[in-house]
Amino acid sequence: AQKITQTQPGMFVQEKEAVTLDCTYDTSDPSYGLFWYKQPSSGEMIFLIYQGSYDQQNATEGRYSLNFQKARKSANLVISASQLGDSAMYFCAMTFNKFYFGSGTKLNVKP
Amino acid sequence: SQTIHQWPATLVQPVGSPLSLECTVEGTSNPNLYWYRQAAGRGLQLLFYSVGIGQISSEVPQNLSASRPQDRQFILSSKKLLLSDSGFYLCAWSVLGAGAKNIQYFGAGTRLSVL
Repeated sequence: AQKITQTQPGMFVQEKEAVTLDCTYDTSDPSYGLFWYKQPSSGEMIFLIYQGSYDQQNATEGRYSLNFQKARKSANLVISASQLGDSAMYFCAMTFNKFYFGSGTKLNVKP
Repeated sequence: SQTIHQWPATLVQPVGSPLSLECTVEGTSNPNLYWYRQAAGRGLQLLFYSVGIGQISSEVPQNLSASRPQDRQFILSSKKLLLSDSGFYLCAWSVLGAGAKNIQYFGAGTRLSVL
């Protein structure tokens, strides 16, 4: 069975600091994709970053980077220089033939 | 560029009434289409997905059904709503890229309250 685990229901970070949101996954398939989405209070799911299982380098998109540790089956999201607008729910997801979402982490950025 | 439209944004319906939520995608052809439901404070539950016109896969047996009458149109329906159908419904589309790069892009969602 495939599984995505986010162990941090809620996180606080000071504005301008970096924060790491944890995600671990479980799959026996060698080819898969890992994703992070942001869901602000408005509800829309916003795609942030993608990492393929065969990618050699960690993915980066602006202030977002994905710390991919394949042997440990972890795909943590790092947000650098947090902004107040980063306050939202963050979901880790995985796909190989279907899409699987984690339970989410609620991030609060404090001024 | 591709856009996805989902409506209505909010809906309040009595128990036992029918439901029809519509989702359309612009700017791409033959997308994969998805319906998700999200309970308050929870993750996303995949309800249906479609890889082409008339092709619907159901993930969870329930009171809902889906149809894809056109390439870029996806409809979620119910003949008789239950209280448990309340939630936030999200439509998404994707086009499978190289490897497992199946990025899904979401609509703005519909908040359904069944009273």
